[in-house]
Amino acid sequence: ETGVTQTPRHLVMGMTNKKSLKCEQHLGHNAMYWYKQSAKKPLELMFVYNFKEQTENNSVPSRFSPECPNSSHLFLHLHTLQPEDSALYLCASSPQAHSYNEQFFGPGTRLTVL
Amino acid sequence: GENVEQHPSTLSVQEGDSAVIKCTYSDSASNYFPWYKQELGKRPQLIIDIRSNVGEKKDQRIAVTLNKTAKHFSLHITETQPEDSAVYFCAASFQGGKLIFGQGTELSVKP
Repeated sequence: ETGVTQTPRHLVMGMTNKKSLKCEQHLGHNAMYWYKQSAKKPLELMFVYNFKEQTENNSVPSRFSPECPNSSHLFLHLHTLQPEDSALYLCASSPQAHSYNEQFFGPGTRLTVL
Repeated sequence: GENVEQHPSTLSVQEGDSAVIKCTYSDSASNYFPWYKQELGKRPQLIIDIRSNVGEKKDQRIAVTLNKTAKHFSLHITETQPEDSAVYFCAASFQGGKLIFGQGTELSVKP
């Protein structure tokens, strides 16, 4: 257990649904990340938050909306997704963003868009 | 652009043999290179990392080498064991410390 939890672990949603993914870290870190992991593709960075401020949006479509209310919690709000958005969504945290420290990953949410 | 290429995509070795995975990166300013291991159905976990001020780092059966001139780095696993079977990802730091990951290598160690 790395101290980063994600809920739900599995999610099936239709293209018209609205859902949210949640990530929580208990490591006292100040940076949190969202990654997308698709089959046969590398881990794709989506968003970075450092001390609750978004510092990176890696050209992510607006149907993905992140929220970071404090350094321990990170959300990813989903609406009008497409089937190609089906993937494993991983949250990670590190002591600070933009510094060279280990990133600790959560177990991921397996998302299926019908 | 910001790019990390990783090869091979799959690698099968016999138990006890060595395994080598190679990565190249696009930005000569990159200076941090971690390697993550992801077992089936589990989260990625850091196994070793190297910074640009050193050329090689070892941790028991795992070693990483870095050639800054050629912009490539490699993971070496010696005396492989079945529990080494997993997907391995390299990564390199880019502008602002952002990590870009390689495509992953699925390593299979056959008993």
